[in-house]
Amino acid sequence: DAKTTQPPSMDCAEGRAANLPCNHSTISGNEYVYWYRQIHSQGPQYIIHGLKNNETNEMASLIITEDRKSSTLILPHATLRDTAVYYCIVYKLIFGTGTRLQVFP
Amino acid sequence: DAGVIQSPRHEVTEMGQEVTLRCKPISGHDYLFWYRQTMMRGLELLIYFNNNVPIDDSGMPEDRFSAKMPNASFSTLKIQPSEPRDSAVYFCASSPTGVVEKLFFGSGTQLSVL
Repeated sequence: DAKTTQPPSMDCAEGRAANLPCNHSTISGNEYVYWYRQIHSQGPQYIIHGLKNNETNEMASLIITEDRKSSTLILPHATLRDTAVYYCIVYKLIFGTGTRLQVFP
Repeated sequence: DAGVIQSPRHEVTEMGQEVTLRCKPISGHDYLFWYRQTMMRGLELLIYFNNNVPIDDSGMPEDRFSAKMPNASFSTLKIQPSEPRDSAVYFCASSPTGVVEKLFFGSGTQLSVL
């Protein structure tokens, strides 16, 4: 049980913001939200994580709702190289099926 | 920093043979994880170690699979005997104490059992 729900696929135009949602309605108070992505057949790559505050780093921003039941990963200016499967995980390092993001020209 | 190093990158073997996959974690990381990825089942956590000690092996599919971590810089995942259904990409990952879920993955080993 991955404890997360993500849309199976999304499209985004190059240069636009990509907003990837994740539902984690059963998250516990001390569980962090982690985001990873996997480009083609490479190993997953860590992107960002947070507990309850919004976070930003050089790769992305993470917005967590006040009730912590959902979050959104934001890639502010998507490029073709951002095409990947994006995973949101909150429980015991269990990866769900993720969202396949396709960035198109 | 060389990152997590896995070998071999590709392994093709015949059913019944022993297969050994190798992993060198990032220096200073106290946690090491083995994952398996297939189209049907996605990424599955097989086992993880903390300070060379196995903590949770509940994901190991059956007794044919075994994993060891003899020291902080080396781990092996062994399949004996191998079966065609073991064909998958096997990833090793490591993480530092304090941020256990911040995993750094290797490039994986593509295993094909004929």
